[in-house]
Amino acid sequence: GAGVSQTPSNKVTEKGKYVELRCDPISGHTALYWYRQSLGQGPEFLIYFQGTGAADDSGLPNDRFFAVRPEGSVSTLKIQRTERGDSAVYLCASSLTSPGSDLTGANVLTFGAGSRLTVL
Amino acid sequence: SQKIEQNSEALNIQEGKTATLTCNYTNYSPAYLQWYRQDPGRGPVFLLLIRENEKEKRKERLKVTFDTTLKQSLFHITASQPADSATYLCALSSYTGRRALTFGSGTRLQVQP
Repeated sequence: GAGVSQTPSNKVTEKGKYVELRCDPISGHTALYWYRQSLGQGPEFLIYFQGTGAADDSGLPNDRFFAVRPEGSVSTLKIQRTERGDSAVYLCASSLTSPGSDLTGANVLTFGAGSRLTVL
Repeated sequence: SQKIEQNSEALNIQEGKTATLTCNYTNYSPAYLQWYRQDPGRGPVFLLLIRENEKEKRKERLKVTFDTTLKQSLFHITASQPADSATYLCALSSYTGRRALTFGSGTRLQVQP
């Protein structure tokens, strides 16, 4: 598509529930990233994919968080047993190149508008 | 530990003046540094990229400098306009450790007409 699309834009859930957030990146972008942003803070890295595989998942806070990108395009971020502290805006981004693979080109991220998650 | 620091206090300036925002980092070997703009309710939008071997980059009214000795980048907006009001984020990619961009907390700029 023309831009990065994220759904839902808003999600309100109860503590303990399971949540899925979807990201549709720019067509042809090989790398896809998930970040989390709390109020007044910058985006916090969670995970990035190169193609179908997770190249770096070191930012996932714990094993309740999981992400997939089965066909190398759309990605889903899954959060199990949600907690109030999970409330944040979850941002997805994509880039033409992956970090480190083409330093001379470098990777510029195109972000979606985010999915705002509120856990009550 | 690695840190990227931006002034958390909002910067208020008059229209027409030059805004200067600062990004300091510690314990990084940056490959490049990027600046993004973020408006409320939106995702960040890329503005400029500067590589470790570059001192300065310009794009229209924007200028970025990168001093790897001081471990600092300065972001300038000349002839500022109220439409420039937003939060500005700097982000680093490192040669070692995490390659994906790590962001600072951002500085909010308010340009008064």
